[in-house]
Amino acid sequence: DTAVSQTPKYLVTQMGNDKSIKCEQNLGHDTMYWYKQDSKKFLKIMFSYNNKELIINETVPNRFSPKSPDKAHLNLHINSLELGDSAVYFCASRRTSGGDNEQFFGPGTRLTVL
Amino acid sequence: AQSVTQPDIHITVSEGASLELRCNYSYGATPYLFWYVQSPGQGLQLLLKYFSGDTLVQGIKGFEAEFKRSQSSFNLRKPSVHWSDAAEYFCAVGLSGGYNKLIFGAGTRLAVHP
Repeated sequence: DTAVSQTPKYLVTQMGNDKSIKCEQNLGHDTMYWYKQDSKKFLKIMFSYNNKELIINETVPNRFSPKSPDKAHLNLHINSLELGDSAVYFCASRRTSGGDNEQFFGPGTRLTVL
Repeated sequence: AQSVTQPDIHITVSEGASLELRCNYSYGATPYLFWYVQSPGQGLQLLLKYFSGDTLVQGIKGFEAEFKRSQSSFNLRKPSVHWSDAAEYFCAVGLSGGYNKLIFGAGTRLAVHP
């Protein structure tokens, strides 16, 4: 199936640990995003990559480090996890050129920090 | 600064009743406008989008939305709600130019009474 996929779907970990979330899209898109949805369901952009280059970096703690090994993948590594990092993280992708600006979202990764 | 306001945090309607979810945006240029739906524990699904042209746009699942530039609004409507429409609904503005991130409203939770 063509889609945006994320692994893992659920992630439970202790404070202070380091964890990664992976995202892959097979839609042939060239721009990918990370969004965070907090406990009140509010969605906010974190990062965006275009052709493996970082183009959007909102005011996110530097404990969060995105990495894009290729156009189809955008991973999110989080160091020294804190309680406030508990949220659902959504990956999204979009075709930049000739596109209609629609972003396709992955199913989300629910991160719980204990 | 760009922003999206969804004035209604929670709406309850009876099955078969009509529905209107309100969305107002603040953005200096011509916006790209979206409505997404999120069912419990699920990702975001695009209902419909507006980029240009006809200000009344049709979406999936019988939803429609009307762009009113003079009111900076993009309200979502459905003539007859089904129980399966119970979900969280998000309005979003896509900033034109560049690699446009989405600015989301806070969401409206829809409950449907049988």
